[in-house]
Amino acid sequence: KQEVTQIPAALSVPEGENLVLNCSFTDSAIYNLQWFRQDPGKGLTSLLLIQSSQREQTSGRLNASLDKSSGRSTLYIAASQPGDSATYLCAVIDNQGGKLIFGQGTELSVKP
Amino acid sequence: GAGVSQTPSNKVTEKGKYVELRCDPISGHTALYWYRQSLGQGPEFLIYFQGTGAADDSGLPNDRFFAVRPEGSVSTLKIQRTERGDSAVYLCASSLRPPFNEQFFGPGTRLTVL
Repeated sequence: KQEVTQIPAALSVPEGENLVLNCSFTDSAIYNLQWFRQDPGKGLTSLLLIQSSQREQTSGRLNASLDKSSGRSTLYIAASQPGDSATYLCAVIDNQGGKLIFGQGTELSVKP
Repeated sequence: GAGVSQTPSNKVTEKGKYVELRCDPISGHTALYWYRQSLGQGPEFLIYFQGTGAADDSGLPNDRFFAVRPEGSVSTLKIQRTERGDSAVYLCASSLRPPFNEQFFGPGTRLTVL
């Protein structure tokens, strides 16, 4: 059974720092991995999708990497801003197809 | 452009009552997904529709939960004899070409069972 773990559960950094959020999964047979952002009381906003054949994806200050063989993904946020404060979730679609399997999220707080 | 919409945004009901939650996917998206998110947790899969049929309903917790998508667009999640443990945020997502494509989520329905 696929399990997704995110470390750390919470992170607080000063504005301007570069930071890395970690995601690991137990079964390397995945089709893609998706990173989301969730603001309090809101739905999920898709940030980046990495196909299983890809190693990384970039969007603005965000860079996500994928290492299928080791079951790991990282989300790198450059020059963090207070507006980046939110919960970040990673999720995989495995070889069962269709459903996303989520980690518990990392709650990020960027202090001005 | 219109994203995924869900109604109602909040629903408060009493234990034992029946509730319906509605999801309008992005126009043209053939796949629709329901997830449930408890406080402090990541969303958990409930059911996935490809067109009008349920392609995977393995996440439905018991037979009190049922979902339909009769015309391949709007979907309704139905919960009978609600229990306090059903209280959660119910999220809907859609994608253009399943099953391995990017999923886009709605704002969710917060269900509270008193």
